[in-house]
Amino acid sequence: EVRLVESGGDLVQPGGSLRLSCVVSGHTVSTNYMAWVRQAPGKGLEWVSVIYPSGDTYYAGSVRGRFTVSRDNSRNTLYFHLSSLRAEDTAVYYCATVTLLGATDYCDYWGQGTLVTVSS
Amino acid sequence: DIQMTQSPSSLSASVGDTVTITCRASENIYTYVNWYQQKSGEAPKLLIYAASILYSGVSSRFSGSGSGTDFTLTISGLLVEDFATYHCQQSHHARSFGQGTKVQIK
Repeated sequence: EVRLVESGGDLVQPGGSLRLSCVVSGHTVSTNYMAWVRQAPGKGLEWVSVIYPSGDTYYAGSVRGRFTVSRDNSRNTLYFHLSSLRAEDTAVYYCATVTLLGATDYCDYWGQGTLVTVSS
Repeated sequence: DIQMTQSPSSLSASVGDTVTITCRASENIYTYVNWYQQKSGEAPKLLIYAASILYSGVSSRFSGSGSGTDFTLTISGLLVEDFATYHCQQSHHARSFGQGTKVQIK
């Protein structure tokens, strides 16, 4: 059974930093695509970041230069380092596994999400 | 960036109804569309990938169609557990979601 458990969400002041964790079981983080998706209160989903098996990364324009995705293969854990936080970063952050099928891909397993609130 | 526009943003329906949700892409994305269901306070769940392929374990009441720029998700014979928010997502370039469609009980 694949299970993803996020943690690290908190109330943080604008300009502050936070590290989110996503502990994964039943699925190997180092050999698979892993994504971070967020959802602001009452809003839709936003694709934020991906880390590839090669270690290459992708970031949405709204977070590029401020957020960093990384992984610890020995702990099978994904991390998301958030810095220079803004009010508009307030959201539930989900980690998800990404399965590739030919030329397409989809998120098939999701964590329960962790809430980040940016406010003074 | 590819924009995904869902319609309607919300709809009201009764148990047993058939509902259709539409997603329009800002450019040709072939069949690179996925659909997710999200219940209040929960994470999204994958329903359909590649526009029309039902994900493992998902009820056949759900179906998807479309190619190019126009896609639909159809739910036949609505059950109480189907009242939720549905999201489309393109997987052609740089990934993006529609704004979601909330299906409410009439």
